[in-house]
Amino acid sequence: QQQVKQSPQSLIVQKGGISIINCAYENTAFDYFPWYQQFPGKGPALLIAIRPDVSEKKEGRFTISFNKSAKQFSLHIMDSQPGDSATYFCAAGKSDYKLSFGAGTTVTVRA
Amino acid sequence: DADVTQTPRNRITKTGKRIMLECSQTKGHDRMYWYRQDPGLGLRLIYYSFDVKDINKGEISDGYSVSRQAQAKFSLSLESAIPNQTALYFCATSETGSGGTDTQYFGPGTRLTVL
Repeated sequence: QQQVKQSPQSLIVQKGGISIINCAYENTAFDYFPWYQQFPGKGPALLIAIRPDVSEKKEGRFTISFNKSAKQFSLHIMDSQPGDSATYFCAAGKSDYKLSFGAGTTVTVRA
Repeated sequence: DADVTQTPRNRITKTGKRIMLECSQTKGHDRMYWYRQDPGLGLRLIYYSFDVKDINKGEISDGYSVSRQAQAKFSLSLESAIPNQTALYFCATSETGSGGTDTQYFGPGTRLTVL
């Protein structure tokens, strides 16, 4: 049983558009919410992360929005580029350093 | 990330065979992890180790065992491989941090096929 539910499974967006990926969790003990990006043939790599004491974090074209009361968080990719085509995983962790990952979203950016 | 290496990168084996996947890291991290990735299921934790003398089961440890030979080496074994262990396996490392915010660094993965 996955502790972090991620949707959609895949999405296609035009170049310059906005990609939105949503995640939900149940365990209120989670206190760390990273997003990992994985390109084909590579291991996942940390993209951006947030703690529950803030509602939004932005790094370049990537923004995490966090809603603690709803136990949901999302990744927004603004001005999507073909180089953003990858699989994105949300995750949640506690102070024991283990991460629970979502199922992943494959993003395809069409030129 | 070249700092975390996995061998072999690809392996095809038969049902019932014992197989070992190896992971080495030059990052100097204490913590190491083994995950498997399956389509639609994401990454699931098999085992993790917070130091050489500390080994812990993850969410899907049945059918797997691990060995932490040194700070830099963490091996995953399938004692008797079965077809539903066909998957992409990742090793990851992280350094001791605070509050569960340490970044995990993943190796390039091993694609295992069990016939």
